[in-house]
Amino acid sequence: AQSVTQPDIHITVSEGASLELRCNYSYGATPYLFWYVQSPGQGLQLLLKYFSGDTLVQGIKGFEAEFKRSQSSFNLRKPSVHWSDAAEYFCAVAPNSGYALNFGKGTSLLVTP
Amino acid sequence: GAVVSQHPSWVICKSGTSVKIECRSLDFQATTMFWYRQFPKQSLMLMATSNEGSKATYEQGVEKDKFLINHASLTLSTLTVTSAHPEDSSFYICRAGQGDTQYFGPGTRLTVL
Repeated sequence: AQSVTQPDIHITVSEGASLELRCNYSYGATPYLFWYVQSPGQGLQLLLKYFSGDTLVQGIKGFEAEFKRSQSSFNLRKPSVHWSDAAEYFCAVAPNSGYALNFGKGTSLLVTP
Repeated sequence: GAVVSQHPSWVICKSGTSVKIECRSLDFQATTMFWYRQFPKQSLMLMATSNEGSKATYEQGVEKDKFLINHASLTLSTLTVTSAHPEDSSFYICRAGQGDTQYFGPGTRLTVL
């Protein structure tokens, strides 16, 4: 069965520290991969996406993600976290970008001073 | 850039009434629209997929007679929650696009008293 796993429900990092949010997927083939961020009570904002090509993807707000086929992973990273990055982060996959997205359960990021 | 709007952004209704939520693509024609539901502190769950001019495809467990979806034009899809009950209180989000271009709406917060 197709699935998306975000192993960490909550993550707390200090402001200025580096961040890595994990995402693993189980699909028959390489899916289209996305990372979204959602602030409380708000809609979703696309951080980045991977369809093909370079496995290191640059996104907005200083985020990047690396697709690793051998590990079926698409982890999100940021070298230095800002307090405004505190939010809920969702990894999502689809067989094609025009198809419905299958979301992970999300990781809640807390940033401490 | 392309924008997807939803109306209303929030709505409060009495139990037993029906509520209509609109999803509009403002700068492009959306052949496909997806409707998601998000309960508090949970991930997004796909409810249904609608294609312009045809019946919506509902996910398992979603009552098609309760959640009526109409995609009558390439720029508008509506979700009507019929005979709403408190357990239908949720955040409803649409996603619209064409091919590789997909955008989420800002969401509609429904509270049923």
